[in-house]
Amino acid sequence: EAGVTQSPTHLIKTRGQQVTLRCSPISGHTSVYWYQQALGLGLQFLLWYDEGEERNRGNFPPRFSGRQFPNYSSELNVNALELEDSALYLCASSLRYTEAFFGQGTRLTVV
Amino acid sequence: RKEVEQDPGPFNVPEGATVAFNCTYSNSASQSFFWYRQDCRKEPKLLMSVYSSGNEDGRFTAQLNRASQYISLLIRDSKLSDSATYLCVVNMDRGNTPLVFGKGTRLSVIA
Repeated sequence: EAGVTQSPTHLIKTRGQQVTLRCSPISGHTSVYWYQQALGLGLQFLLWYDEGEERNRGNFPPRFSGRQFPNYSSELNVNALELEDSALYLCASSLRYTEAFFGQGTRLTVV
Repeated sequence: RKEVEQDPGPFNVPEGATVAFNCTYSNSASQSFFWYRQDCRKEPKLLMSVYSSGNEDGRFTAQLNRASQYISLLIRDSKLSDSATYLCVVNMDRGNTPLVFGKGTRLSVIA
């Protein structure tokens, strides 16, 4: 069975640009979580989607947004990129309220 | 008080040693508890779910103390390959509260 897949795996963007990251959850999972992990730091919660709705968002500015599609895949959009947005962006999926499984992440570098 | 707190370490232990990590959580309504392992620059991977009665998986033992609101992870006979960051995760199992990750405890097992 396929795990959580994220694309792209690596990305380099210029400050001020916009980026879209994609996540496909494990088949049957309805919840998708997004986390940001800057180098050497812990996971920072970004967004949680379940059954197509945004359930919660972390303490990030509005230029971080996303959505979940009817097939439960998800996108994370970041507008007006800043240098400090450089990080590993991790997506995880789960059935609601159960253990989550992570994708390999998208490593974003903003220059 | 932070939602989930862990000693950041690092814990530097020799091969064969027994090491224990504790994690405290602030919300007494929390229902599910997990330990994840994260290797450097990789995604977190589920190590164990933590059950009320405590559970064991080979060299790893997890315990839950609801009264004191902490969970623990014990690693016996440490191997070099156990070197990683161990993340404590707490779930409310209701409402719109997402999985909450601790910052992690770094373990280095030394030959």
